[in-house]
Amino acid sequence: EIVLTQSPGTLSLSPGERATLSCRASQTVSSNYLAWFQQKPGQAPRLLIYGASTRATGIPDRFSGSGSGTDFTLTISRLEPEDFAVYYCQQYGRPPRAFGQGTKVEIK
Amino acid sequence: QVQLVESGGGVVQPGRSLRLSCAASGLTFSSYGMHWVRQAPGKGLEWVAVIWHDGGNKYYADSVKGRFAISRDNPKNTLYLQMNNLRAEDTAVYYCASGDPFDNWGQGTLVTVSS
Repeated sequence: EIVLTQSPGTLSLSPGERATLSCRASQTVSSNYLAWFQQKPGQAPRLLIYGASTRATGIPDRFSGSGSGTDFTLTISRLEPEDFAVYYCQQYGRPPRAFGQGTKVEIK
Repeated sequence: QVQLVESGGGVVQPGRSLRLSCAASGLTFSSYGMHWVRQAPGKGLEWVAVIWHDGGNKYYADSVKGRFAISRDNPKNTLYLQMNNLRAEDTAVYYCASGDPFDNWGQGTLVTVSS
């Protein structure tokens, strides 16, 4: 079973700043089947990135994903007010489809 | 556009059963693997179960194995989650999601297990 560990737990930043979120897997994620989701309070999660680096449909290009193997990163180049939310990574290469515990990006 | 609509949540006593449904539209349902994901109040996302597009394979999180059963009715475009022997720790919003990656999600249905 692959365990995903996200860091930091909380990121306090101002609009316009760059956000860098980390996701580390306990084993190699096959074929880079690593996704990132955004969740706002009271809403369902939204797919941002899949295949470690491919933006989902309609996702702004300020969101980018990188990494391979066991280390992955989500970068938000310039935070917009609507980007303050919780972000989860997830591996979908094999069952169980584990999620990381989440990183909250909050307004400083 | 794709719509996934969950139903069947509510308040149930510990040890009792509940069946959730997820009605899908706007996608070729029989072509997609389908998942259940839950989120306890104030907590993170927990993957619960997956069923292959044809129902041929099913996998479960250890926390629900032996108590929950995922199934689907492709002609009815509907996904199910039969939840038996419910515990307080099963209290959560339950989402259905389609595909790998999970590119479409429902809005969730709340299950509260309490005496």
